[in-house]
Amino acid sequence: AQSVSQHNHHVILSEAASLELGCNYSYGGTVNLFWYVQYPGQHLQLLLKYFSGDPLVKGIKGFEAEFIKSKFSFNLRKPSVQWSDTAEYFCAVKADRGSTLGRLYFGRGTQLTVWP
Amino acid sequence: GAVVSQHPSWVICKSGTSVKIECRSLDFQATTMFWYRQFPKQSLMLMATSNEGSKATYEQGVEKDKFLINHASLTLSTLTVTSAHPEDSSFYICSASALSLDQPQHFGDGTRLSIL
Repeated sequence: AQSVSQHNHHVILSEAASLELGCNYSYGGTVNLFWYVQYPGQHLQLLLKYFSGDPLVKGIKGFEAEFIKSKFSFNLRKPSVQWSDTAEYFCAVKADRGSTLGRLYFGRGTQLTVWP
Repeated sequence: GAVVSQHPSWVICKSGTSVKIECRSLDFQATTMFWYRQFPKQSLMLMATSNEGSKATYEQGVEKDKFLINHASLTLSTLTVTSAHPEDSSFYICSASALSLDQPQHFGDGTRLSIL
């Protein structure tokens, strides 16, 4: 079965620091990759997605992620975080086939806290 | 953008009652809807996948008789927690996906269910 690992459970940064959140997945076939963000009290929102093409994808609010197929990784980055980036970040993978086509496999999430 | 409305946002009820949660896609047709459960500090756990007009597919360990899912139209899916007990207290989230498989899932705001 597919699995998604987010190794950082809680990251604490000061404003303007650079951010990198790790995400690794286990699946040998074609995948679609996503990062979702959940701000306090709000629903999950799509930050960015990768389906094919350029492995470096840019999302909203200055976030980007790089798909490295050989490492089964899809790390999220932001060069300079802001206090408003404080949220829970979820990496998710959608396999191209499986018992439930289209389902997402989520990592356990990384809580990012940014101090002003 | 695509909007998913989930109602109610918070339910408190006595043990033994049944609770219905609605999930609506407001501006697109959702051929597939997903129901998740999220425990504090944990990731989203997929409970079931529902396709319009057919029976839901439940994940292993999820009681289909306890969590009744109906997806009667392309814009509405419902989750009914039957004879709810305190251990069913949780945060339930729905998501919806349009016809094309390369479309991301869009999430509702979630429903916090508290059983006394």
